[in-house]
Amino acid sequence: QKEVEQNSGPLSVPEGAIASLNCTYSDRGSQSFFWYRQYSGKSPELIMFIYSNGDKEDGRFTAQLNKASQYVSLLIRDSQPSDSATYLCAAISGGYNKLIFGAGTRLAVHP
Amino acid sequence: DVKVTQSSRYLVKRTGEKVFLECVQDMDHENMFWYRQDPGLGLRLIYFSYDVKMKEKGDIPEGYSVSREKKERFSLILESASTNQTSMYLCASSPPQTGDTEAFFGQGTRLTVV
Repeated sequence: QKEVEQNSGPLSVPEGAIASLNCTYSDRGSQSFFWYRQYSGKSPELIMFIYSNGDKEDGRFTAQLNKASQYVSLLIRDSQPSDSATYLCAAISGGYNKLIFGAGTRLAVHP
Repeated sequence: DVKVTQSSRYLVKRTGEKVFLECVQDMDHENMFWYRQDPGLGLRLIYFSYDVKMKEKGDIPEGYSVSREKKERFSLILESASTNQTSMYLCASSPPQTGDTEAFFGQGTRLTVV
C-alpha cells in the first residue's frame, strides 16, 4: 500500500466550478499534510498545509483534514484555467519526518 | 529569495557511468531531499538528509547513494547508471519538518541514460 494515494485524474471541471481533489494516507502517525501545485515542466510549489482536523481556508483554496478517516482534500472554488496543473498531496511520515508525496492529480479547467 | 539550485537542467549519460547530481541551497536548511518523478508515479523519495553527514533511505534507494559533507550541499550519486534511471530528479530542502514548514524545490535535472 502506498503511503499517500491520489486519483491520477485527469479531473476536468468548467471555469467557475469547484474542483475537489482527494488524498488518503496510510501512516496514522502522520501529523502534517501539504498540497503542492506543479505546472507542466516546472517544480512543485506549496499551496497550503494543514495539521488540525477540519477545514482551513486560504483565498479560493480550502484544505480539509479528517484524521479518523485518514483523508485529506483540497477544494478550489471559482476554478480558473490558470489552475490547470498537477496537484500533489504530501505527508510527513516516519521517525525522521520524511516528506512523502502522492502520485498527483491532474486538473484541467476548461473555459 | 529562497533558492535551491541543481547543477544541471539536462544530462545525458551512458549506461555504466558514475553520475553525480548536485544540489545547493542557500537557506541554511537542515533537511534536504532527493526525489525522482516519473509519469503516473509522482515524486518518489530516494534519500533524504536531516543534518550534515546524516542520511536516511527513502522508498527507492536501490542503485543510488548520497553525500552531504556540508550543510548547503546534497549530492545524489548513481553508482552505475542504467536506462531505468532515466527520469526527472528533483532536489528539495526544508527546515526541520513541523506542521507548517515548506519544502523548496530546485528546477529539476532531466537525466537520460543511453
